[in-house]
Amino acid sequence: SQQGEEDPQALSIQEGENATMNCSYKTSINNLQWYRQNSGRGLVHLILIRSNEREKHSGRLRVTLDTSKKSSSLLITASRAADTASYFCATGIQGAQKLVFGQGTRLTINP
Amino acid sequence: NAGVMQNPRHLVRRRGQEARLRCSPMKGHSHVYWYRQLPEEGLKFMVYLQKENIIDESGMPKERFSAEFPKEGPSILRIQQVVRGDSAAYFCASSPRLAGGTNTGELFFGEGSRLTVL
Repeated sequence: SQQGEEDPQALSIQEGENATMNCSYKTSINNLQWYRQNSGRGLVHLILIRSNEREKHSGRLRVTLDTSKKSSSLLITASRAADTASYFCATGIQGAQKLVFGQGTRLTINP
Repeated sequence: NAGVMQNPRHLVRRRGQEARLRCSPMKGHSHVYWYRQLPEEGLKFMVYLQKENIIDESGMPKERFSAEFPKEGPSILRIQQVVRGDSAAYFCASSPRLAGGTNTGELFFGEGSRLTVL
């Protein structure tokens, strides 16, 4: 099964609303990262949070990490139509030399 | 500083042919990762290479698939005798240091190579 699983699989909201996506994982991690993918394009890094951090902000993005629950959330505030994309969490697993990606959340922002 | 360059962007092959996908990492990056993505799905790790070395190929099928990252030139993902199930987008990513480790950074992705097997 997947190391990282996003919830929900798909999310559709109105422009201006906040969007929250969740990610759960199974094993101990060094860090957790969020990436964005526009349709037909490569992934773009959004934000990284280390295992000893609990919250991080970058512009309209807010990421939280709860290592006791093995979960993370990505909050996008004041959403815009241009935020429409798929969002993936990726975990840097302790002892492994790679990032493991989840299945992603497809976010649609309606004008 | 050019980003990660992948070519071809689109490749069509008939069953039984060979597919070669190329990836030039960002300048100064010595770590290269290949991922595969099926439609509407996440990325599945295939292989991690450093110059002239395969570090982790645990996600790559044992048969028909191979990868290299020579001292000079791009990284190559090679798929021999392609089958329809190989149809997917193949993404290359590079990093200046180990991704996922304690002193890690982000991965920089190319735009992908989309393989269609007829």
